[in-house]
Amino acid sequence: DQQVKQNSPSLSVQEGRISILNCDYTNSMFDYFLWYKKYPAEGPTFLISISSIKDKNEDGRFTVFLNKSAKHLSLHIVPSQPGDSAVYFCAATGIFSGTYKYIFGTGTRLKVLA
Amino acid sequence: DGGITQSPKYLFRKEGQNVTLSCEQNLNHDAMYWYRQDPGQGLRLIYYSQIVNDFQKGDIAEGYSVSREKKESFPLTVTSAQKNPTAFYLCASTPRTGRTEAFFGQGTRLTVV
Repeated sequence: DQQVKQNSPSLSVQEGRISILNCDYTNSMFDYFLWYKKYPAEGPTFLISISSIKDKNEDGRFTVFLNKSAKHLSLHIVPSQPGDSAVYFCAATGIFSGTYKYIFGTGTRLKVLA
Repeated sequence: DGGITQSPKYLFRKEGQNVTLSCEQNLNHDAMYWYRQDPGQGLRLIYYSQIVNDFQKGDIAEGYSVSREKKESFPLTVTSAQKNPTAFYLCASTPRTGRTEAFFGQGTRLTVV
């Protein structure tokens, strides 16, 4: 089973506060994880990634945390800005039976309120 | 500039017709993917190809076909067998070895009229 789940379809946060987006995966063979941001009628754009050998990666206002034992990762945005309003997808990659797989979650729509 | 280009941006199809969506990349990536997005839904994998002349079915391949005759190109044909083709289609590419970001095109919105 190779699934990536984002159980919160939407999230609203006040400008300046922290946004926390969550993602769960089902298979420990996934070894690289990514977050993408998507605006309507556009393709997703890469935001930040983390390898399974790390538990945290930070890039400016964005930090991704990985908890391998829980098969859980999260994206923190601090401080949140109105321009962050978009749909965020997590993705997991890994080799399964010799085939490289790239699996996306269903997305979380973030709305940052001014 | 390197990138991935999808065309057309909007496409209208009559019921019973086949249509082909174009995807071209100049990133020298080996792997290419087609995803479908429905309103309020995530990205579902239709087909993927890791090398020229080879491709694999994704989770929702029924009613779709692809070809990979050139490294740069991965066209998707939506056949009349696809019962609900109205959706937003995204093409992506990555280096074959993975552990890297995927580059996406701008998408094609297909509407059946």
